[in-house]
Amino acid sequence: DGGITQSPKYLFRKEGQNVTLSCEQNLNHDAMYWYRQDPGQGLRLIYYSQIVNDFQKGDIAEGYSVSREKKESFPLTVTSAQKNPTAFYLCASGMGQGWNEQFFGPGTRLTVL
Amino acid sequence: GQQVMQIPQYQHVQEGEDFTTYCNSSTTLSNIQWYKQRPGGHPVFLIQLVKSGEVKKQKRLTFQFGEAKKNSSLHITATQTTDVGTYFCAGPSNFGNEKLTFGTGTRLTIIP
Repeated sequence: DGGITQSPKYLFRKEGQNVTLSCEQNLNHDAMYWYRQDPGQGLRLIYYSQIVNDFQKGDIAEGYSVSREKKESFPLTVTSAQKNPTAFYLCASGMGQGWNEQFFGPGTRLTVL
Repeated sequence: GQQVMQIPQYQHVQEGEDFTTYCNSSTTLSNIQWYKQRPGGHPVFLIQLVKSGEVKKQKRLTFQFGEAKKNSSLHITATQTTDVGTYFCAGPSNFGNEKLTFGTGTRLTIIP
């Protein structure tokens, strides 16, 4: 059953703690993306990766970090430097380049208390 | 930087009425994609338009790409409760096709 998974669905953390969000895909896609969505807002790109061991900053990368050690996995760490981390985080994958559709995971809703 | 705006931000329609959302880019786009996000869900790809002036239909949904490739529209005929959600357009960024810039979205609510 192919797809893209994110875990957990809901996550609560105390202020000042780093937290890592998981994203896994078995679609054999080269490109993976992390977006942030705030209530009533559009999607803003945090980081993206087109190939293993390489990634680029998106529009709002400050306070976040990523790694791409395997083609299937693209975890996102929300660090304590991110000033407003509470949001809905969406991971997506695609064959690469904006010509192709992106497939989204179910998302992780992060709440920092 | 590139901006992709959508209007309206919110739309409430009576079930059975038509609905249209408009997407405008600050730059010319090589292609445009449309996504739908149901309440509490994640965006799902609907369609991609590539050619200037292109029109595509999916049942009650009609998608159009402007002649100048800077704007697009999505029209839903005779809305149903299943059409509820937020509709996003998205286009490749200025600096290449490797990432998309998403529009601000239009949230559609259906009054039964």
